[in-house]
Amino acid sequence: RKEVEQDPGPFNVPEGATVAFNCTYSNSASQSFFWYRQDCRKEPKLLMSVYSSGNEDGRFTAQLNRASQYISLLIRDSKLSDSATYLCVVNGGNTPLVFGKGTRLSVIA
Amino acid sequence: DTEVTQTPKHLVMGMTNKKSLKCEQHMGHRAMYWYKQKAKKPPELMFVYSYEKLSINESVPSRFSPECPNSSLLNLHLHALQPEDSALYLCASSQAPGQSGANVLTFGAGSRLTVL
Repeated sequence: RKEVEQDPGPFNVPEGATVAFNCTYSNSASQSFFWYRQDCRKEPKLLMSVYSSGNEDGRFTAQLNRASQYISLLIRDSKLSDSATYLCVVNGGNTPLVFGKGTRLSVIA
Repeated sequence: DTEVTQTPKHLVMGMTNKKSLKCEQHMGHRAMYWYKQKAKKPPELMFVYSYEKLSINESVPSRFSPECPNSSLLNLHLHALQPEDSALYLCASSQAPGQSGANVLTFGAGSRLTVL
């Protein structure tokens, strides 16, 4: 099983839609979880950290399920500017951060 | 504007050339990283420096040689590269291990390298 797995997509959704991405991780000792966003030919940028209790930032909601070892990202009311690749990032204790392969999102007018 | 600055933005080099990529941050971060990213792939960790000391080398070929002259600077020296080394090289920084925010990376815009 790969350390961090994501559905690569692409997810093609209309503006205003709600879209959800999941990510599974294999290391049960993982303690830190993040979603990064990467635009085409740009660097990854932190979108949000993922906390045990779940957290929300505007239209974005992140959830963590430790028992099933997955995290999710929900985007409500999608905008054209949300089109990007979303990278799930997990660390496990003293190990370096591990990146998932990313999920591509295209929001269509 | 990114708080991690990388130069050059683009570099084309031959297989016999020697060149260097440079990275600078002034956020007081004491951990700095080099990642390599190929098209449509996630970033792959190459090296980690913590308090200016190399703490992780992910079995990177010796034709890549990192250097951390001080807490703000990170270099990647390149020599005798192969065409398959062409990629986007990303520098990142974070708080040092054990500190709050240690796992939150701030990336530079990257240096796009082409090896002919």
